[in-house]
Amino acid sequence: NAGVTQTPKFQVLKTGQSMTLQCAQDMNHEYMSWYRQDPGMGLRLIHYSVGAGITDQGEVPNGYNVSRSTTEDFPLRLLSAAPSQTSVYFCASSSQGVNTEAFFGQGTRLTVV
Amino acid sequence: AQRVTQPEKLLSVFKGAPVELKCNYSYSGSPELFWYVQYSRQRLQLLLRHISRESIKGFTADLNKGETSFHLKKPFAQEEDSAMYYCALTDSNYQLIWGAGTKLIIKP
Repeated sequence: NAGVTQTPKFQVLKTGQSMTLQCAQDMNHEYMSWYRQDPGMGLRLIHYSVGAGITDQGEVPNGYNVSRSTTEDFPLRLLSAAPSQTSVYFCASSSQGVNTEAFFGQGTRLTVV
Repeated sequence: AQRVTQPEKLLSVFKGAPVELKCNYSYSGSPELFWYVQYSRQRLQLLLRHISRESIKGFTADLNKGETSFHLKKPFAQEEDSAMYYCALTDSNYQLIWGAGTKLIIKP
């Protein structure tokens, strides 16, 4: 059981470049989300989706786009990378419910120069 | 505002000593609280949730609604407990709200 697969693990971008972080889960979870993790700030929610075709903004959505065409996939797009987007990004999925466990990908360490 | 506070960025204790990782929350309602752990080079994973009232790897956490706290405790620390620990709560929209995390170092 692969769980949540996130690629790539590392990426270096130049300012202004665009890229897509991939996230796929094989647990048939309705809920998927993207976080960024910065030192001393915990995890901050970028975008989330409660099912295929439905996405919404989280706490820090600016500069990022998402789509959810299938239950399994939830890619995160950086439209024009900026140094402020240097961070570690995590994708997570869970079934709906207040007490359900969130399953995480391994993370992507992104550096924008 | 909904908030989770972990006041210690770093906690260092000796092997065999008791450990307490602090977590305080601000939430209007009955929160559902969790502790997640990230070991070195591993992904973030659930350690325990308050509703289960379980002990995982010797860790327990009690919800204290009066003090709005959900501290994580272990009576005797082990070296393999060294990790990053995050406290989180689920809001009414099922979104997780995270603390900033505490890095736990267990010294031999």
